[in-house]
Amino acid sequence: NAGVMQNPRHLVRRRGQEARLRCSPMKGHSHVYWYRQLPEEGLKFMVYLQKENIIDESGMPKERFSAEFPKEGPSILRIQQVVRGDSAAYFCASSPPSRDEQYFGPGTRLTVT
Amino acid sequence: GQQLNQSPQSMFIQEGEDVSMNCTSSSIFNTWLWYKQDPGEGPVLLIALYKAGELTSNGRLTAQFGITRKDSFLNISASIPSDVGIYFCAGHRGNNRKLIWGLGTSLAVNP
Repeated sequence: NAGVMQNPRHLVRRRGQEARLRCSPMKGHSHVYWYRQLPEEGLKFMVYLQKENIIDESGMPKERFSAEFPKEGPSILRIQQVVRGDSAAYFCASSPPSRDEQYFGPGTRLTVT
Repeated sequence: GQQLNQSPQSMFIQEGEDVSMNCTSSSIFNTWLWYKQDPGEGPVLLIALYKAGELTSNGRLTAQFGITRKDSFLNISASIPSDVGIYFCAGHRGNNRKLIWGLGTSLAVNP
């Protein structure tokens, strides 16, 4: 059973460009979570989605950030007009419907130049 | 944002020694999860705890869900060099599925 897949692993964007991060959950998992990690820090929750629904976006910045988990295809975290402060590691996790354990992907390291 | 209090921040031990780290909160948690993260990788789930007082082992790792539901500890017995990494505690409060995280314990093992 393949684990959580994320791509790209590394992404470099200039200020003002858009960043798109993709996440494919583990097979059978219908819940997806996005977290952000700065160096030397723990993970910070951003958003929790189920297929076609955003369940909790309390950790998402109000502007420039959006997330979706369509009926078909991966979950997408989209950052518009990136700024240097967006540079971080972004992790996706998935969980099965009735369990609380979350399984993480390898992350996407975003660098804004 | 809310975080768990995790200690110690870092540890440097000799191979073969036992290790203990813990997490505390002023709030009650419904689940406690312990993860290990290697550089450049995502967190890997080590142990999940669901009930107050629960004691669970995974090989040389043992973790407990505190009776008060406000703390948890992780023990590693007979450490080996591949135990090196950052260990995080995380947990859920109420019906909320988002994980709240500690800042991690960095473990270094001297062969």
